[in-house]
Amino acid sequence: EAGVTQSPTHLIKTRGQQATLRCSPISGHTSVYWYQQALGLGLQFLLWYDEGEERNRGNFPPRFSGRQFPNYSSELNVNALELEDSALYLCASIPSSGRAGNEQFFGPGTRLTVL
Amino acid sequence: AQSVTQLDSQVPVFEEAPVELRCNYSSSVSVYLFWYVQYPNQGLQLLLKYLSGSTLVKGINGFEAEFNKSQTSFHLRKPSVHISDTAEYFCAVSDLADYKLSFGAGTTVTVRA
Repeated sequence: EAGVTQSPTHLIKTRGQQATLRCSPISGHTSVYWYQQALGLGLQFLLWYDEGEERNRGNFPPRFSGRQFPNYSSELNVNALELEDSALYLCASIPSSGRAGNEQFFGPGTRLTVL
Repeated sequence: AQSVTQLDSQVPVFEEAPVELRCNYSSSVSVYLFWYVQYPNQGLQLLLKYLSGSTLVKGINGFEAEFNKSQTSFHLRKPSVHISDTAEYFCAVSDLADYKLSFGAGTTVTVRA
């Protein structure tokens, strides 16, 4: 069974540009979570998508947004990039049924560097 | 809201010695508890989880953790570590509303020969 995949592996942008990160969940998983792992800030919850809808977001400005497609893959967009957006962005998926207590399966992450 | 405190940021340990990683959490509601491991340049992998029942939980790679409700702790242990256990370890809690994970700051374990 294929795991969670993320693309690209690395992304280099300059301040003010936009970044788009992609995530494909495990087959049969309908919920996707995004987390930011920034140096010195640890792992922080960004966004949760389930069945195509944004269900919850963490304490991040509106320039962090995303969507979930009918095939349950997801896209994270970061507009007006700032230097402090440099981080590893992790995507995780979980099946919607029996979600309680289920393990979130993580992808390898996208390393975003903002110059 | 939940919060997680990992009491040790760095834990150096010799090969075949035991290790304990401490985790305390705070929450006003019931939560699920998890330990994840992150090897260099990789995503997170689940070591073990506590949902309910027996307070001693066994996970992969010889790890185990004990849930202590009165002390709101979920410490991770391994009786004998290997070089390959060198990694960063994260304690996390998940609330029962939206299942998002709140993570501790992480503990870096370095195993030396």
